[in-house]
Amino acid sequence: GAVVSQHPSWVICKSGTSVKIECRSLDFQATTMFWYRQFPKQSLMLMATSNEGSKATYEQGVEKDKFLINHASLTLSTLTVTSAHPEDSSFYICSAVYRVRDQPQHFGDGTRLSIL
Amino acid sequence: EDKVVQSPLSLVVHEGDTVTLNCSYEVTNFRSLLWYKQEKKAPTFLFMLTSSGIEKKSGRLSSILDKKELFSILNITATQTGDSAVYLCAVVGVGETSGSRLTFGEGTQLTVNP
Repeated sequence: GAVVSQHPSWVICKSGTSVKIECRSLDFQATTMFWYRQFPKQSLMLMATSNEGSKATYEQGVEKDKFLINHASLTLSTLTVTSAHPEDSSFYICSAVYRVRDQPQHFGDGTRLSIL
Repeated sequence: EDKVVQSPLSLVVHEGDTVTLNCSYEVTNFRSLLWYKQEKKAPTFLFMLTSSGIEKKSGRLSSILDKKELFSILNITATQTGDSAVYLCAVVGVGETSGSRLTFGEGTQLTVNP
């Protein structure tokens, strides 16, 4: 089945640091990748949709300058949390899909981000 | 705004019981409904449903979609402790400006006790 790799799985860093999270589709070409955020005991909230070679589309309320997304190739998207603060601590999950309309999204294992 | 509502939010059963999880939705230009299982990490894909009335089955799990009444159910028979997880229902819709997007329900927390 489709495999999506996300790295790192856990990050602890100081306030003010920028953190980059990678999402790779290992055995298929992902034309679209999605970034989600999940708080404890809550469902996934879509942050942004990323299509290869174009700018990401951000959901309402998500700061573009805070959460930088790059989708430079069909197998890699990155999310950079710039100048992270404790309120950015969360579980970040990416997903990837070849054809959004008729194929399921496959998820990476997630990144737990803790800002001290 | 697209909406997905799951019920119950929480369910505790004994091993061997059969459970039914519910998912109702309102979505612009429905494309498909998906069920995922989430344990400690990210969700793992279970089923994708696009047509009404056609049951999808995988081992002890099965699911069906009713596009007229806008809901789906996920059945798990002969439950095992390993079935304990959050089960997420998500719907793909196509917005006029937003493109295809996946909207998740809150999830059902299933606990199977030995």
